[in-house]
Amino acid sequence: DQQVKQNSPSLSVQEGRISILNCDYTNSMFDYFLWYKKYPAEGPTFLISISSIKDKNEDGRFTVFLNKSAKHLSLHIVPSQPGDSAVYFCAAKRSNDYKLSFGAGTTVTVRA
Amino acid sequence: DGGITQSPKYLFRKEGQNVTLSCEQNLNHDAMYWYRQDPGQGLRLIYYSQIVNDFQKGDIAEGYSVSREKKESFPLTVTSAQKNPTAFYLCASSPQGASYEQYFGPGTRLTVT
Repeated sequence: DQQVKQNSPSLSVQEGRISILNCDYTNSMFDYFLWYKKYPAEGPTFLISISSIKDKNEDGRFTVFLNKSAKHLSLHIVPSQPGDSAVYFCAAKRSNDYKLSFGAGTTVTVRA
Repeated sequence: DGGITQSPKYLFRKEGQNVTLSCEQNLNHDAMYWYRQDPGQGLRLIYYSQIVNDFQKGDIAEGYSVSREKKESFPLTVTSAQKNPTAFYLCASSPQGASYEQYFGPGTRLTVT
């Protein structure tokens, strides 16, 4: 039973435009959410996170929005750059639990 | 230069053989994890360890075994009981306590034929 879902397996965006990645979760006990970026044959690297006490967190070109009532979060990348082409994983956890639950990932391709 | 190392990057084995994947970290992290990634799927937790000499099964522990004799090391053995061992295996670590991010190693691609 997958508790974190990324329903768009891929996204293609033109360089300089906005990339919007979506993530839904089913476990209402999750209170911390993370986005990881992964290049082929490498381990994921942490990108940005958000606690359930916030609805927005921004770090440079990356902004994560959290809608708790809808159990939905999104990652905005503005402007998109060629180096952003990668697989992005959404992950969620309970703050008192070591375990992370991951979505299946969204492959982003930034076109020149 | 702190980080997580996994070796080797590519590993090939014959069906029926046990194989051990190495994971070492010099980040002084207490917790360590093993994940498996298959095409089109997210990372699935195999085992995790919060402290030396202690570990817990994750969501897909069947056919795998681990040990945590040292803080720096968390080797994963893929046994012949694992039905579909071919996958990309990722090791991660995180500090004890309130830290939420897990730091990942570069991964090992295991192919069993």
